[in-house]
Amino acid sequence: RKEVEQDPGPFNVPEGATVAFNCTYSNSASQSFFWYRQDCRKEPKLLMSVYSSGNEDGRFTAQLNRASQYISLLIRDSKLSDSATYLCVVRGYQKVTFGTGTKLQVIP
Amino acid sequence: EAGVVQSPRYKIIEKKQPVAFWCNPISGHNTLYWYRQNLGQGPELLIRYENEEAVDDSQLPKDRFSAERLKGVDSTLKIQPAELGDSAVYLCASSIDANYGYTFGSGTRLTVV
Repeated sequence: RKEVEQDPGPFNVPEGATVAFNCTYSNSASQSFFWYRQDCRKEPKLLMSVYSSGNEDGRFTAQLNRASQYISLLIRDSKLSDSATYLCVVRGYQKVTFGTGTKLQVIP
Repeated sequence: EAGVVQSPRYKIIEKKQPVAFWCNPISGHNTLYWYRQNLGQGPELLIRYENEEAVDDSQLPKDRFSAERLKGVDSTLKIQPAELGDSAVYLCASSIDANYGYTFGSGTRLTVV
């Protein structure tokens, strides 16, 4: 089993739709979690940290489920500009692992 | 605040030639990372520095790759000799410390021909 797994997609959704991605991790001792956004041929950029209690930033909501060992990212009211690849990142003791990313395409 | 600065942006070299990448992290960021990203994959860690000390270089192919971070600020990553399979984007990132999310530079796209 991979340390961090994501559905590569692509997820093709219409503007205004709600879309959710999951990311599973194998190490139960993982300590912190992040979502990054990466546009085509650009570097990854931190979207949001994922807190145990869940957190929200505008249209974006991140949640952590330690029992089932996954994190999720929910995007409400999708915009064309949300089209990108979303990478989950899991940090354990002395180690940080990136997922391979989930590609989102928002369609007019 | 200036972000993480990397140079060059693009590099094309013939196999067996040496190549070097340079990174200037955000001022005050003690932790510096070098990642390699292949097309359609997530970034893979090559080496992590805490100040000038390389604290995790377990994924660095030491037969041909080397890195240094003199004075705990700028860093260079070198490949000698380069192989065709080294073609990738090399990303540098920095953070205040390892507990925080980090900022990436724009990367160096290496093509080995």
